[in-house]
Formats: sequence, structure tokens, C-alpha cells
Amino acid sequence: AQSVTQPDIHITVSEGASLELRCNYSYGATPYLFWYVQSPGQGLQLLLKYFSGDTLVQGIKGFEAEFKRSQSSFNLRKPSVHWSDAAEYFCAVGGFLNYGGATNKLIFGTGTLLAVQP
Amino acid sequence: NAGVTQTPKFQVLKTGQSMTLQCAQDMNHNSMYWYRQDPGMGLRLIYYSASEGTTDKGEVPNGYNVSRLNKREFSLRLESAAPSQTSVYFCASSDRDRGKTEAFFGQGTRLTVV
Repeated sequence: AQSVTQPDIHITVSEGASLELRCNYSYGATPYLFWYVQSPGQGLQLLLKYFSGDTLVQGIKGFEAEFKRSQSSFNLRKPSVHWSDAAEYFCAVGGFLNYGGATNKLIFGTGTLLAVQP
Repeated sequence: NAGVTQTPKFQVLKTGQSMTLQCAQDMNHNSMYWYRQDPGMGLRLIYYSASEGTTDKGEVPNGYNVSRLNKREFSLRLESAAPSQTSVYFCASSDRDRGKTEAFFGQGTRLTVV
């Protein structure tokens, strides 16, 4: 079955420190991978996406993510966190499935809540 | 260009009441989705519509119905609301392009069932 795991429910980092949010997926085909961010009371905003090609992808707000097929991972990173990065982050996977059915469904992880200390 | 617009933003219902959540997108997307978001559970797909005229169940469809009124609009109906349906509901849309399913989300509807 398809699934996305975000093992860290809550992370606290100091402003200026580096950040890595983990995401592992299980998917029966070439995955399309996404990271979304949700600020309190807001909808979800796309940070970055991976479809194919270079496994290191750059996104908005200084975020990047690396696709590692061997580890079934798509971890999100930022070298220096700002207080405005405090939010909830969701990893998601979608794409065609092996058994011939195309799907547009996205499967989301349970999210990682990021707190930033001054 | 508004993107995905959901109405209402907030709603309180009594158990057993019915209501319809409205969603419209102006990006000419083929696919539309309804998710619910609950603490610690991420987003779970309720129903989706891959294209105009088609709808399919997602992960948690019980207690809900949907209508893909046209290409722009996708509504979610609760026929008899239950407290377990207290949640934040998000509508999303995406342009079907060989599975490149980047989705655009509305601002959400916070529903409380008492």
C-alpha cells in the first residue's frame, strides 16, 4: 500500500540553525514527491516538488530536498532557519501506479510541526 | 486570479443537520479533491474527481457525498452531520498531466459539529 511517513511529529530548532525534516515513502511506481507548508489557520502552500532528473531540488523560501531512491526518502532541508519558518510541514507522494491505473491522488504524511526558538 | 476558493470559512452545525461545502477553482484544472485534516493524522482524502463528470471515493468517504457540478466546482455534502466530522476541510485542484499532481489548496473550512 502507498504511504508516507514523517517520523518527527514535533521539532524545535534555534533561529539560524540548520533544519532537516524527514520523509519516507512507500509507493509502487516512480513517485512524484512534494513538500507543503501550512502556517497556522492557512491552507497548504507548495514548497517544492520532485518529478524526475536532478535528485536535489530547490524550492521557495530557501528550502531544498533530496530524493534518495535507495532509501525511499525525500528529506527537506534548510541551512539557516528563520522565525517565520515556524509552521507545519507535510510531505506527499503521487503519480502513476504500476497496475496501469493513473491516479491523481496525493497521499500525505501526518506532518511535522516546526517551532523556532529565538 | 483567486486560485481555489472555499465557502464558508467557518461553520457550526448541530448533530443531524446537513450542509454543503462549496469549492471553486479558476485555474482550468481537471482534477479536484476534498481532504479533511485532523490533529496528528495529516490530510486524508475524502473524495476526488479526476475530471468533470467523474467522482471516486478516497480514504474516508463515509458520511459524505460530492458533486462535480462543472469543471470549476466541486461540492462536499454532509447529509447528517456527526461530531466525528468536526474537522478542517480543504479543497484542492490539480492539472492532470501524466500524474504530475501538484495540487493547489483552498484556505479551508473549519467545521464544528456539536
